[in-house]
Amino acid sequence: VQLVESGGGLAQPGRSLRLSCTTSGFTFGEYSMSWFRQAPGKGLEWVGFIRDKGYGGTTEYAASVKGRFSISRDDSKSIAYLQMNSLKTEDTAVYYCSRGAKWPDYWGQGTLVTVSS
Amino acid sequence: DIVMTQTPLSSPVTLGQPASISCSSSQSLVDSDGNTYLSWLQQRPGQPPRLLIYKISNRFSGVPDRFTGSGAGTDFTLKISRVEAEDVGVYYCMQGTHFPYTFGQGTKLEIK
Repeated sequence: VQLVESGGGLAQPGRSLRLSCTTSGFTFGEYSMSWFRQAPGKGLEWVGFIRDKGYGGTTEYAASVKGRFSISRDDSKSIAYLQMNSLKTEDTAVYYCSRGAKWPDYWGQGTLVTVSS
Repeated sequence: DIVMTQTPLSSPVTLGQPASISCSSSQSLVDSDGNTYLSWLQQRPGQPPRLLIYKISNRFSGVPDRFTGSGAGTDFTLKISRVEAEDVGVYYCMQGTHFPYTFGQGTKLEIK
């Protein structure tokens, strides 16, 4: 099982970024996929997740990102996405994707998002 | 939101000695399906988190048997029977029962 995040970088406040989580080694379509983040020197924060299509492919989000971030998936490519709009400086963090929702078992290495003017 | 409180926040341990971390939740973590979605994760320095324990006491694949999870309802414990050098890092409890999912503050395990 492998998960690799990409798409991080520097963005100005108010701008957008899209992160990708490219996976391999498991049947992607059978799993929920989650996103977490960790601000510099801080603890872990749940961002949200997307259910597998068997459970409607619906999403759940933390209040801090609801309405600004959206999670999607492409089962044909085994990729999960995190679209981040209206970025704020407090969104600066390493973003991790993981497999599963209620207990995220495999994690990627993370990608750093820095929001600064 | 469910508040997860870990104690201690820092734990200096002698190699080969046991260590214990507690996690308490502000509400019961028993889900409507009867399961309790309490997990423990380890984050070594400079590394992503790694799942150790799920549903209170189930050891994840590849996790050494010196790691044991226990508890019920609102009070949970992670025990390491004999600490090794590779166990240094920050340990988090996480609840996956109630939205939003939440973590404890983290407990830093270090060697004396």
